[in-house]
Amino acid sequence: NAGVTQTPKFRVLKTGQSMTLLCAQDMNHEYMYWYRQDPGMGLRLIHYSVGEGTTAKGEVPDGYNVSRLKKQNFLLGLESAAPSQTSVYFCASRWLGTDTQYFGPGTRLTVL
Amino acid sequence: AQTVTQSQPEMSVQEAETVTLSCTYDTSESDYYLFWYKQPPSRQMILVIRQEAYKQQNATENRFSVNFQKAAKSFSLKISDSQLGDAAMYFCAYRSPMNRDDKIIFGKGTRLHILP
Repeated sequence: NAGVTQTPKFRVLKTGQSMTLLCAQDMNHEYMYWYRQDPGMGLRLIHYSVGEGTTAKGEVPDGYNVSRLKKQNFLLGLESAAPSQTSVYFCASRWLGTDTQYFGPGTRLTVL
Repeated sequence: AQTVTQSQPEMSVQEAETVTLSCTYDTSESDYYLFWYKQPPSRQMILVIRQEAYKQQNATENRFSVNFQKAAKSFSLKISDSQLGDAAMYFCAYRSPMNRDDKIIFGKGTRLHILP
């Protein structure tokens, strides 16, 4: 039981490049989330999903897209990376019957 | 909109002593959930303790306890017998009831140093 995993752990992009961050969970959780963490800002919600095939916008969704084609996976895409997207990205998931979110180890993304 | 405020960016405590981290929040809702998360240098976010607003009894998890003052909208975390492994960033978080809004709102964090 690996919990919540994120791929990759580190990535450096140039402005304008695209990439996809993968989040996978093996706990059969319905809900999945993408957050970004910036110094002095805490965590801010980018997008979330309440089930396979559904997504919703969070607090800071601009510049990101997401997909949840399979229940266990939640993908975060950056179509044209900008330096303002330099951050640490966290994925989280939770079971429908609880309010506790379980977090992945994070992905450090740098956009030059 | 709900907000969560942690007024102490950094704190230090001597090993084996007790420390209290402050958190206040603003909401117009009567039912909600509050959390404290720990983020050690490994960056993994770990749930420390949770409190349901409709419960008057303060939550406790081993050395960790909270002082939940609903009227004052205060939710402080007390760590007793501090250990070196408690050194981390601590985040206070607020969540609306599950049936309405799925967003969880985090404070900006308090970095806790444990002095040997």
